[in-house]
This record gives sequence, C-alpha cells and structure tokens, in this order.
Amino acid sequence: DAGVTQSPTHLIKTRGQQVTLRCSPKSGHDTVSWYQQALGQGPQFIFQYYEEEERQRGNFPDRFSGHQFPNYSSELNVNALLLGDSALYLCASSPRTIRQGPTDTQYFGPGTRLTVL
Amino acid sequence: DQQVKQNSPSLSVQEGRISILNCDYTNSMFDYFLWYKKYPAEGPTFLISISSIKDKNEDGRFTVFLNKSAKHLSLHIVPSQPGDSAVYFCAASGPGTYKYIFGTGTRLKVLA
Repeated sequence: DAGVTQSPTHLIKTRGQQVTLRCSPKSGHDTVSWYQQALGQGPQFIFQYYEEEERQRGNFPDRFSGHQFPNYSSELNVNALLLGDSALYLCASSPRTIRQGPTDTQYFGPGTRLTVL
Repeated sequence: DQQVKQNSPSLSVQEGRISILNCDYTNSMFDYFLWYKKYPAEGPTFLISISSIKDKNEDGRFTVFLNKSAKHLSLHIVPSQPGDSAVYFCAASGPGTYKYIFGTGTRLKVLA
C-alpha cells in the first residue's frame, strides 16, 4: 500500500519564477492538505482540497494556489517566487471528509525541498 | 501568535530510560492533538493522537497525556531506543477547522 508520494524531491528556482509541486494521496484517501515548513519551524497550513475544491486556506498570499484532480491527486502552484518561499513543502492526505477524530488523521509525504535563489 | 509551543528545542536521554516531550497550547477550543516524528529528509510520521474527551492514550511504548486545565500535553516514550532519535512535533486542531497547528519541534537524541 503506497503512502503519500510527492514530486519532485528537490527543486531550485530563481526569484520571480513559477513552480508546480505534485502530490498523490495514500490509497483510500480523498482529502489533500499542503503545508510549508521553513527551517527550524513546524509545518504551516497552506490549504486543503476536497472534492476538487479548496475547502480551507491558511495565511498565505494568493501567489499560492492549488488544484485537486478527480483521482484525488493534487498540485501546489507558487507564482512570483520570493527568497522567503524556500522551504520544505509537505503534502498530507486524510481518509475522511468530515472531522470525526482519529479517522481524520493526516498522513504526510516526504516533501519537496524548494530552494529559491 | 504561536498557539502551540514546544519550549524545549532539544532533549537527550539514555537508552532504556523514559523520554518526556512537552507541548503547551493557548487555544482552549482545540479538541484533537497529535504527535508526529520526523527524521531528516523525510516527512512527519504520525505517532499517536488524543481527543479532548480523554486524558491518556497508549500505543506500545508511546503514551500521550492531556491536561486540559493546564493546556498541556506530553509524550512519554518508554523505554527509549536509539531509533527514536528524531524531531518530534505536537499538533492541535479544533472544531470547524481542517488544519493542524504545529509546534516548532523538539529534537530527541537517545544515547546508546
């Protein structure tokens, strides 16, 4: 049973460029969340997708956008990259659509390390 | 505004002894708490969770304690093993939200 997978593993971009990160959820999961983890910090919630729509968004600018496909996989797009966008981007999937305690636990992928020069 | 705090950036423990990792939160609406373990170059791995209707949850060597009045939770690892060496994050969530709010992590080193 494959867990959450993310691609690419590493990425180097320059300021002003755009980037797309990809995530495939764990089998049986239909909800995908994206987090940004800066060095020395805990993960910070960017947004969550369910039924191909953004269900909740954290405190991130509109430069961060996403998409969920019918097969539940998801993309995170970041436009006009800034140096401060350098971080580990984590995707997490969860098996239920309504919070019901432990069954809503989010399971993380290995992350994509983005470096902006 | 750091709603979830892990005030100890690091902790060293001898193999076989107990490791206790602490986490404090400020939002009394949080009702679901989790611990994740993270190795370098990997994503966080779910360890154990607890809902606010309980004050203790056990899973093998891992036990999480929740003190709602103190807004404090702790993770006990007994006995500690060298493979437990990692960064541990606590996270919290509340009703009406799907996001987890994470602490900044505690690096645990278990010495052989």
